[in-house]
Amino acid sequence: NAGVTQTPKFQVLKTGQSMTLQCAQDMNHNSMYWYRQDPGMGLRLIYYSASEGTTDKGEVPNGYNVSRLNKREFSLRLESAAPSQTSVYFCASRTGNNEKLFFGSGTQLSVL
Amino acid sequence: RKEVEQDPGPFNVPEGATVAFNCTYSNSASQSFFWYRQDCRKEPKLLMSVYSSGNEDGRFTAQLNRASQYISLLIRDSKLSDSATYLCVVSRLNSGYALNFGKGTSLLVTP
Repeated sequence: NAGVTQTPKFQVLKTGQSMTLQCAQDMNHNSMYWYRQDPGMGLRLIYYSASEGTTDKGEVPNGYNVSRLNKREFSLRLESAAPSQTSVYFCASRTGNNEKLFFGSGTQLSVL
Repeated sequence: RKEVEQDPGPFNVPEGATVAFNCTYSNSASQSFFWYRQDCRKEPKLLMSVYSSGNEDGRFTAQLNRASQYISLLIRDSKLSDSATYLCVVSRLNSGYALNFGKGTSLLVTP
């Protein structure tokens, strides 16, 4: 099992460019999450999908959109990147409430 | 008040030492609790779940005090490989029970 796979691992964007971060899990998990991690801020929840077909905002959703394409895949889109979105992004999944999270290896995004 | 608070450290301890990390959470209705470990530039990985009765996994012991809304992690006989950031994690009751992370406590074990 690959677990949670994120692509790309690194990305540099110019302000105003758009991009999509891809995430897929092969563990048949119901719930998927996108977090961002900034120095001194800890991990903050951007969006989540509690089950296939549903998505909801987390703590810091502004500037992002998501798509739960199917049970396996949950993508994060930046429509018009801003320097404030420079961060490390982690996708995670789990089978249900109160269960542990499995993380992807992260995407280091820099917006110039 | 932040939902999950941890002492950021850093904690610098010699090999073989015992070290304890503390964490407090603000939502009394939180239901699940974990300690995650994060190495530099890597993804967080589950260290252990925290149960009401307390639980132990080798050199690691976790305690939960619901009345005080307090979680602890004790590491005995510290190894160099224990050097990492330890994240206290608590379920949140909105946001689909997504897990809420503390900012982490940095541990450096020295020879």
